[in-house]
Amino acid sequence: SQKIEQNSEALNIQEGKTATLTCNYTNYSPAYLQWYRQDPGRGPVFLLLIRENEKEKRKERLKVTFDTTLKQSLFHITASQPADSATYLCALEMDSSYKLIFGSGTRLLVRP
Amino acid sequence: DTAVSQTPKYLVTQMGNDKSIKCEQNLGHDTMYWYKQDSKKFLKIMFSYNNKELIINETVPNRFSPKSPDKAHLNLHINSLELGDSAVYFCASRKGTREEYGYTFGSGTRLTVV
Repeated sequence: SQKIEQNSEALNIQEGKTATLTCNYTNYSPAYLQWYRQDPGRGPVFLLLIRENEKEKRKERLKVTFDTTLKQSLFHITASQPADSATYLCALEMDSSYKLIFGSGTRLLVRP
Repeated sequence: DTAVSQTPKYLVTQMGNDKSIKCEQNLGHDTMYWYKQDSKKFLKIMFSYNNKELIINETVPNRFSPKSPDKAHLNLHINSLELGDSAVYFCASRKGTREEYGYTFGSGTRLTVV
């Protein structure tokens, strides 16, 4: 069956460290992978998009990698801050499918 | 100047009632979506419209009917509400149908059926 898996346990790290979140998928061949941030009571906010032919994408303190052989994306936040605490969602899109399919998200807690 | 706005933010209603949720976007985007987020925080697509045309209709009960009067609006009407319909419903929009654009989500409508 098709699955997008993100660690359901919260990731708890110290301020200033690098947070690394994992997204694994099975039985999908995504053309694009996106990462979103969701705060309690709010809608998801788009962060980064990476294409299947890209290995890595960066935006300020954020970095995303995409390994289509391992069927995995890693999302890194460097020099993490308490304000980075939120749930992070990965989402896949197949070519011309017109829809994003979301993982269930991983909650990140950054301790001051 | 909210980009994607949904009303109401909260909706509490009894089983069997009919209710509507409205969504408007002022971004000039062509494509709009309805997603449902259940108690386990899993976001699942329900419908998508591109320039007022339905392009995605997932396996959603017929009690749910979207309507897009113009490309800036996508409303969701739900008939004969059931307990299992309780969830947070998110409206979203995107510049086109092409995959290279991210989605802009509204802040959600929390529906509670009692």
